[in-house]
Amino acid sequence: AQKVTQAQTEISVVEKEDVTLDCVYETRDTTYYLFWYKQPPSGELVFLIRRNSFDEQNEISGRYSWNFQKSTSSFNFTITASQVVDSAVYFCALSEVQNNQGGKLIFGQGTELSVKP
Amino acid sequence: DTGVSQDPRHKITKRGQNVTFRCDPISEHNRLYWYRQTLGQGPEFLTYFQNEAQLEKSRLLSDRFSAERPKGSFSTLEIQRTEQGDSAMYLCASSLAPAGGGETQYFGPGTRLLVL
Repeated sequence: AQKVTQAQTEISVVEKEDVTLDCVYETRDTTYYLFWYKQPPSGELVFLIRRNSFDEQNEISGRYSWNFQKSTSSFNFTITASQVVDSAVYFCALSEVQNNQGGKLIFGQGTELSVKP
Repeated sequence: DTGVSQDPRHKITKRGQNVTFRCDPISEHNRLYWYRQTLGQGPEFLTYFQNEAQLEKSRLLSDRFSAERPKGSFSTLEIQRTEQGDSAMYLCASSLAPAGGGETQYFGPGTRLLVL
């Protein structure tokens, strides 16, 4: 069965520290997509990245970077030089692609990141 | 380009009452999803539409829940005879989906429901 695990419930860092949020997933599909979303206190989920299962290339976007490793079924997210504005709950999600059906998202429990000045 | 909007943003109701939420997706997005999020948890899938057709419903969606997307644009989610366990944030997302799924979903601000 499909599942996403974010073992870190809460992380607290001081501004300018680097922080890595872990995500481990389970799926039987060979074709799937992985996502990260940010949920600030306002509540709206903000899309950060989408990665398909055939592309293991790491990605960097400004202070954000993602490390996808199929061998360990992990899709970790690193924020470099964290800022107070990074404080939010971060969700990792999985979407399986089966029989051209819809791409419902399966979310992890989320990691609450608190960046202190 | 406006994002996904939801109305109302907050709803307080008494147990046993019916409530209806509305979601307006991003223009021309063909898929619309509903999720429910309880405190401290990730969102859970409820149902989704491809245009006006409701193609999948979660087991979480009991008989008291019904969703529609009559013209393939906005959608409504109705909960009948609300229970305290229905208290949650109800999130709507839309996407422009090619065949095969896995597309990026864009979320609205959510409707926070409190059942007293």
